[in-house]
Amino acid sequence: GQQVMQIPQYQHVQEGEDFTTYCNSSTTLSNIQWYKQRPGGHPVFLIQLVKSGEVKKQKRLTFQFGEAKKNSSLHITATQTTDVGTYFCAGTSDYGGSQGNLIFGKGTKLSVKP
Amino acid sequence: EADIYQTPRYLVIGTGKKITLECSQTMGHDKMYWYQQDPGMELHLIHYSYGVNSTEKGDLSSESTVSRIRTEHFPLTLESARPSHTSQYLCASSESMSGAGELFFGEGSRLTVL
Repeated sequence: GQQVMQIPQYQHVQEGEDFTTYCNSSTTLSNIQWYKQRPGGHPVFLIQLVKSGEVKKQKRLTFQFGEAKKNSSLHITATQTTDVGTYFCAGTSDYGGSQGNLIFGKGTKLSVKP
Repeated sequence: EADIYQTPRYLVIGTGKKITLECSQTMGHDKMYWYQQDPGMELHLIHYSYGVNSTEKGDLSSESTVSRIRTEHFPLTLESARPSHTSQYLCASSESMSGAGELFFGEGSRLTVL
């Protein structure tokens, strides 16, 4: 069935280093969303990308949607301790898979050493 | 801040008990979801609803049941809890009927079955 793979599963960085997480789908996506979940918290929406090749920035965060609409990335420049948490990508299949619901990746858990 | 509320936040019960996890939203969203998430792990969709009197099973089989008698209310019930049901249950809603809209998550209900 439809899958969204996310790597790496864990990432440990020194504060100030950059961080990137990657998301890959087995089929074309109509959109990709990114969520952040702080330890002990609930997922919070960050952004949605819908266009092929789209790039969006939020301060130190840069989000990209691949040209083929099968992959996406989230890049954080100069990480801070407030960036700690698990980052999930989630996409909707272009072919109506999963009944049109979002398919979540397994998440990348980011830890930042001060 | 999202207007979606879950109660209880924490629940510890014995095996065989019946429990209901409450979820309410005041945003007037028709589509609502229940996800199951073990600590630090991926999100599994267990139930969703398109609106009043609509309930659908998600990708992960669950022994829980849901009801949607009112737009704002989407409770989840376990008739006979077991230790294998120990997990965090996250309720969410979205304005969009498809997967194209942002999901607003509640703070979650952490269930422990002894």
